Amino acid sequence: EVQLVESGGDLVQPGRSLRLSCAASGYSFEEYAMHWVRQVPGNGLEWVSGISWNSGDIAYADSVKGRFTISRDNAKDSLYLEMDTLRTDDTAFYYCAKGDTKGLDWFFDLWGRGTLVTVSS
Amino acid sequence: DIQMTQSPASLPASVGDRVTITCRASETISTFLNWYHHKPGRAPKLLISAASTLQSGVPSRFSGSGSGTDFTLTITGLQPEDFAIYYCQQSYTTPPTFGQGTKLEIK
Repeated sequence: EVQLVESGGDLVQPGRSLRLSCAASGYSFEEYAMHWVRQVPGNGLEWVSGISWNSGDIAYADSVKGRFTISRDNAKDSLYLEMDTLRTDDTAFYYCAKGDTKGLDWFFDLWGRGTLVTVSS
Repeated sequence: DIQMTQSPASLPASVGDRVTITCRASETISTFLNWYHHKPGRAPKLLISAASTLQSGVPSRFSGSGSGTDFTLTITGLQPEDFAIYYCQQSYTTPPTFGQGTKLEIK
C-alpha cells in the first residue's frame, strides 16, 4: 500500500526541540521530493519545508527558517524534521507530503495522517 | 507571498446536489492551482492538479476550471463521502500557499 506515516509528535515546552519522522512505503521514495505541511487546529494549511530527491535543494517557510531542519534518508525511506527553539505558535498537526517530481515542485500528491505537536509550558 | 481566498467558508448541501467552490489568487498563477479534500483525522487527498486535471481514482463528479486568478471546483451529484473540507493551493511559486478552506457540510 502506498502510504506515509508520521511519528514523533508530542507535548513540549517553549524553547525545546523535537524531531518528527515520516516513513514512506509502497513507492520509490528516493525518486521524489518530499515536504512538511502543518495545520493549526481549526485553521488552514501552511507549507513548512521541502527537500529534493537527493537533498540537493531545500527550502523553508520564513516562519521556521533558522529553527527547523529538514532531512531525508533514502536508504531508510524516511523523511525527518528537526524542530529547534519551538514556540507556542508552532503548535499544529504536521503532515508529511510527497512531491510529484525529483526536484522541488510545489504540489503534493500523497499525504500522511499527521502527527500533533503541542508547544506549551 | 501569493494569497489564496476561497469562498464560501461554509457550504451546507444535500446528497445529490451540485456545488461550486471558488478560489481567487492575489496575482496571476496561470493554471498552477490544485484542489485537496480533507477529513479531520485522515490524510488530505489531492483531487485536481493544474486547475482541471483529475487525479487517478478521483470520481468524475469532481471537476475544476479556471486560469489566471479565478478558479472553481464543482461537484456534481454530492455523495455522503464528499462532506469534508476543501482547500485550493497555488503551486506557481514558493512558498506554496493554500486557501483557508471550505467546509462542505450536510444541510
